[in-house]
Amino acid sequence: DIQVTQSPSVMSASVGDRVTITCRASQDITNYLAWFQQKPGKAPQRLIYAASNLQSGVPSRFSGSGSGTEFTLTISSLQPEDFATYYCLQHKSQPLTFGGGTKIEIK
Amino acid sequence: EVRLVESGGGLVKPGGSLRLSCAASGFTFSTYSMTWVRQPPGLGLEWVSFISSRSSSAYYADSVKGRFTISRDNDNNSLYLQIDGLRVEDTAFYYCVRGGFGVGLDYWGQGILVTVSS
Repeated sequence: DIQVTQSPSVMSASVGDRVTITCRASQDITNYLAWFQQKPGKAPQRLIYAASNLQSGVPSRFSGSGSGTEFTLTISSLQPEDFATYYCLQHKSQPLTFGGGTKIEIK
Repeated sequence: EVRLVESGGGLVKPGGSLRLSCAASGFTFSTYSMTWVRQPPGLGLEWVSFISSRSSSAYYADSVKGRFTISRDNDNNSLYLQIDGLRVEDTAFYYCVRGGFGVGLDYWGQGILVTVSS
């Protein structure tokens, strides 16, 4: 199985901060990686697909990069509505595996 | 608009059974693979099961293999998850999700809570 390690698990940040979250896969997954945002009591919503493609309707302050085994999600200027938990997902092979999540808290 | 609506959750005793349903609309259901993902309250996401568009392939997480059965009815745009031999550790929100390995997961249902407790 492909393991996905996401870091950090929690971060404190302020509105306007630039934020970066990292996911590392235990083997090469090329670009089969997506990023999701989840707010309390809601289902996850996809932000980024194929490692670097912005989902329709998602603000351009979100961006993804990476390939192979290392990937990043960047929020260029954190907004109040961005305080949430973020997950990466590798979907190259079964079983699909999620990162452990990163909760962005208000500093 | 793509819509996925889960139903069938609830409180069940250990060893019991449930059948989760997911009603799909807003897309050609029969052309998409589908996936179930679960999330214990306050914890992370766990892939549970996958079924191909024509039901020719199905896969399960090791933690549910032999107890869960995924199925679909393309004529009625519905996805199902039969859950038998429920354990306390199966307590979670269960999400119906469009897609699977290769293509990825895009649209999610709102989730349905399954609680296993005596």
